[in-house]
Amino acid sequence: GESVGLHLPTLSVQEGDNSIINCAYSNSASDYFIWYKQESGKGPQFIIDIRSNMDKRQGQRVTVLLNKTVKHLSLQIAATQPGDSAVYFCAEKENQFYFGTGTSLTVIP
Amino acid sequence: NAGVMQNPRHLVRRRGQEARLRCSPMKGHSHVYWYRQLPEEGLKFMVYLQKENIIDESGMPKERFSAEFPKEGPSILRIQQVVRGDSAAYFCASSPPWYPGNTIYFGEGSWLTVV
Repeated sequence: GESVGLHLPTLSVQEGDNSIINCAYSNSASDYFIWYKQESGKGPQFIIDIRSNMDKRQGQRVTVLLNKTVKHLSLQIAATQPGDSAVYFCAEKENQFYFGTGTSLTVIP
Repeated sequence: NAGVMQNPRHLVRRRGQEARLRCSPMKGHSHVYWYRQLPEEGLKFMVYLQKENIIDESGMPKERFSAEFPKEGPSILRIQQVVRGDSAAYFCASSPPWYPGNTIYFGEGSWLTVV
């Protein structure tokens, strides 16, 4: 499958600030994307998804942006909280779901 | 994590032994996926199954690894003659028959340690 990559392996933000986590994908045929959050010792937890016919989708404190022209996804977390500290993965649906390495988000109180 | 059950959560095996990891999907889900995660790394696709059928095993190592999802009972990932490099977290996910918008939900993982 195609690779899914992350621009930054680590990200530190102050509590209350907004966080932006980026992801590049390589398969232009991918039609569905998901962001997952993984806390230490736990399984990935679904955050938000987006189909390729959309360029933006909002959830509670999270927004996903999709730019198909440059094959880029981003996850925006508003008013970041200590509980948001985790590793965040994007996944693209080709035939299966393929995941990137992840970005480790640390929230500084 | 949405009802996907994996066991055991932690498993220790000596080199050369067999490891069996089990996954019960969410109720109503007929598709199961297995992923492997090494420390500080991402999730690597291994195999995609539906009941009694392997749909895609392109991520499975050619030797020692096998997976099944029988008509009754959990999906099983089997690793024969384990080596230290098999030490990892193994995650199972499940979904209904896929259409756009059906995400996959993960279990809490099985941590295999080979000593």
